[in-house]
Amino acid sequence: AQTVTQSQPEMSVQEAETVTLSCTYDTSESDYYLFWYKQPPSRQMILVIRQEAYKQQNATENRFSVNFQKAAKSFSLKISDSQLGDAAMYFCAYSLNNAGNMLTFGGGTRLMVKP
Amino acid sequence: NAGVTQTPKFRILKIGQSMTLQCTQDMNHNYMYWYRQDPGMGLKLIYYSVGAGITDKGEVPNGYNVSRSTTEDFPLRLELAAPSQTSVYFCASSRRLAGVPYEQYFGPGTRLTVT
Repeated sequence: AQTVTQSQPEMSVQEAETVTLSCTYDTSESDYYLFWYKQPPSRQMILVIRQEAYKQQNATENRFSVNFQKAAKSFSLKISDSQLGDAAMYFCAYSLNNAGNMLTFGGGTRLMVKP
Repeated sequence: NAGVTQTPKFRILKIGQSMTLQCTQDMNHNYMYWYRQDPGMGLKLIYYSVGAGITDKGEVPNGYNVSRSTTEDFPLRLELAAPSQTSVYFCASSRRLAGVPYEQYFGPGTRLTVT
């Protein structure tokens, strides 16, 4: 079974600074996808960024980028120019590319942004 | 498009009662999922469906049942509610085209308390 581990229960960043959230995963498969989801206090799950395992290039979405290290099974999220609206729970998730596309989630990291 | 809608938003059940959590999506997605999120934890998969008439168990299916008679609806049934089922329940949907999985869209969640 695949597992996803987020070793930082809480992180704090100053507004306008950069922060990196860590994620490691365990799998013996080669064809999979990785995701970062944001969950603000409203509870709504919002996709932040997605990475295909077969792509060597790291995904980027505006201020959000990932550092995907396939051999090390590491998938960290970097948030640049942090904003107050970035404060939320962040979940790393893994999906095997199979018929079900089910997501396996990590335990989450709570990000606090200080003004 | 309303996306993924869930009803009710909140519910309190007594031990031993039963209820159905409703989930509807209007994006014509073939895949649908039910997750639960316990306090301070990531989401865990309860059941999923890859199309009408097809359902399968996820990581934590005990105490739940599902059905998928239409593409749009994927209700989750709780029989004989127990305090361990106190959680926030999320429904999600996605599609798969030409072998490529697309992102999961989540509903707003149902907060269930069993006392």
